[in-house]
Amino acid sequence: RKEVEQDPGPFNVPEGATVAFNCTYSNSASQSFFWYRQDCRKEPKLLMSVYSSGNEDGRFTAQLNRASQYISLLIRDSKLSDSATYLCVVNTRWGYSTLTFGKGTMLLVSP
Amino acid sequence: EPEVTQTPSHQVTQMGQEVILRCVPISNHLYFYWYRQILGQKVEFLVSFYNNEISEKSEIFDDQFSVERPDGSNFTLKIRSTKLEDSAMYFCASSDRVAPYEQYFGPGTRLTVT
Repeated sequence: RKEVEQDPGPFNVPEGATVAFNCTYSNSASQSFFWYRQDCRKEPKLLMSVYSSGNEDGRFTAQLNRASQYISLLIRDSKLSDSATYLCVVNTRWGYSTLTFGKGTMLLVSP
Repeated sequence: EPEVTQTPSHQVTQMGQEVILRCVPISNHLYFYWYRQILGQKVEFLVSFYNNEISEKSEIFDDQFSVERPDGSNFTLKIRSTKLEDSAMYFCASSDRVAPYEQYFGPGTRLTVT
């Protein structure tokens, strides 16, 4: 089983749609969870950290279910500028800040 | 807004040559990292560096690789004898003591080994 697994993409949605990304991780000892965004041939950019209580930042909502080892990201009211690859990222080793990345899910928002 | 910078943006080298990739992390950050991303694949961890020493390295980071913080601002990755399979985008990242897991990435150096 891969350490961090994401929905295969791409997701094609119209502007204004709501889209959800899912991610599972294999190491139950994982401590910290993130969503990063990566534009084509650019660096990953931190979108948001994910907390057990769930957290929201504007149109973006992230959820963590430790029991199921599952992370989600919901984007409401999609914009053209949301088109990117969304990376699920996990810190899998206690005491170390190494990040393990999923392969990413590409989102294409069309007019 | 402070950012991580990397030079060069693109490096072309011949197999067997040494390359040095340079990074300037965010100035008050204490943790430094190198990751790589082969085209079409996921981002992979190479090495982390804290307090002037390597704190963790992956199995990719073999004897051909080394890192250094030669002064108070630069952080370098050296590949001693490049192979074709070293062709990738190399990202430097940094984080601070308060939130070491929240890492900020530089724009990357695209390394092409011919």
